[in-house]
Amino acid sequence: KAGVTQTPRYLIKTRGQQVTLSCSPISGHRSVSWYQQTPGQGLQFLFEYFSETQRNKGNFPGRFSGRQFSNSRSEMNVSTLELGDSALYLCASNDSGNEQFFGPGTRLTVL
Amino acid sequence: SQQGEEDPQALSIQEGENATMNCSYKTSINNLQWYRQNSGRGLVHLILIRSNEREKHSGRLRVTLDTSKKSSSLLITASRAADTASYFCATDPRGNAGNMLTFGGGTRLMVKP
Repeated sequence: KAGVTQTPRYLIKTRGQQVTLSCSPISGHRSVSWYQQTPGQGLQFLFEYFSETQRNKGNFPGRFSGRQFSNSRSEMNVSTLELGDSALYLCASNDSGNEQFFGPGTRLTVL
Repeated sequence: SQQGEEDPQALSIQEGENATMNCSYKTSINNLQWYRQNSGRGLVHLILIRSNEREKHSGRLRVTLDTSKKSSSLLITASRAADTASYFCATDPRGNAGNMLTFGGGTRLMVKP
């Protein structure tokens, strides 16, 4: 099976813009989670989607949102970008077991 | 915010030596997992230990869990240069439906050939 894919891999935006990141889970996996990784805060959970519904949500402002489609692909959106949103955004999929399978990440730089 | 701390933050050893990393967490858990990350890439799952287990082995990896102290350790035996990476513990909180891992700060391991 193909692994988790994320697009784009690298992105440069300016403050105030918005961005959409995409994640395609492993075939058959219905759960998709998103994490933000920064040098200062480390790895932090953003949200999880399961069968097109948000099942868990981390402690991030409303500028961060996501959705999941019927084919389990997921997108996350960040509106009104701030410098502090520069990070590696990781998506992970899961097939009802406990192990999470991570994608390579999208490196977002906000200028 | 992170669930807990990992110790040490960085570790440098020679090939063939053992590496031990420690993780502490704050809340009750269903399980604790260890992941490896190479140079800002995605994370790779290494091993999972459930809250009712005390020790688990997988190849050169040995994980222990002490729920009374809310701590875990990861031992990598006979390390190789390819083990150079960052290692993270992650906890799955008890009572949570779904997947919502809380990660520690990580240990950067360097194995010198």
